[in-house]
Amino acid sequence: KAGVTQTPRYLIKTRGQQVTLSCSPISGHRSVSWYQQTPGQGLQFLFEYFSETQRNKGNFPGRFSGRQFSNSRSEMNVSTLELGDSALYLCASSSGLAGYTDTQYFGPGTRLTVL
Amino acid sequence: DQQVKQNSPSLSVQEGRISILNCDYTNSMFDYFLWYKKYPAEGPTFLISISSIKDKNEDGRFTVFLNKSAKHLSLHIVPSQPGDSAVYFCAASPFSSNTGKLIFGQGTTLQVKP
Repeated sequence: KAGVTQTPRYLIKTRGQQVTLSCSPISGHRSVSWYQQTPGQGLQFLFEYFSETQRNKGNFPGRFSGRQFSNSRSEMNVSTLELGDSALYLCASSSGLAGYTDTQYFGPGTRLTVL
Repeated sequence: DQQVKQNSPSLSVQEGRISILNCDYTNSMFDYFLWYKKYPAEGPTFLISISSIKDKNEDGRFTVFLNKSAKHLSLHIVPSQPGDSAVYFCAASPFSSNTGKLIFGQGTTLQVKP
């Protein structure tokens, strides 16, 4: 099976712009979770989508949003970019099924730099 | 409030010896734990997991131990190899609630010297 893919791998934006990141999960997986990794805060959970619905959300401002399509692919959008949004953005996919020890598998990440 | 803690930022061991990475958690609702390995500029790679109904899980050179009463888990790598040099993250989840959310520790950088 192909792994989790993320596009683009690298992105440079300026403050105030918006950005959209894309994630394609492992075939058959219905859950996609997004994480932000920064040197100071480590890996922090942004939100999770399952069957096109946001199922859980972390403690990030409303500038961070996402969606999931019927094929389970997911996009994450950040509006009005700030310097502090510079980070590695990771998505992870899993089956999303309740009652199972559901392992998340990560993509390679998108490195976002905000100038 | 850091619910998952890896108190050792770094660890250095000799090739062939055992590497022991530790992780503590505070939330008794956590019942599924995972270890990931990460190289710079790459996504974390899943290594091994354990659910709270077990106290040990083994996969090749990797063994994870869980002590629920102490809220402590550890990852043993035997024997350690130079290719194991990476950042190791432990993560916890209340899988029974199926939130899709993992809580990560801050990571431990392992260096295995030839």
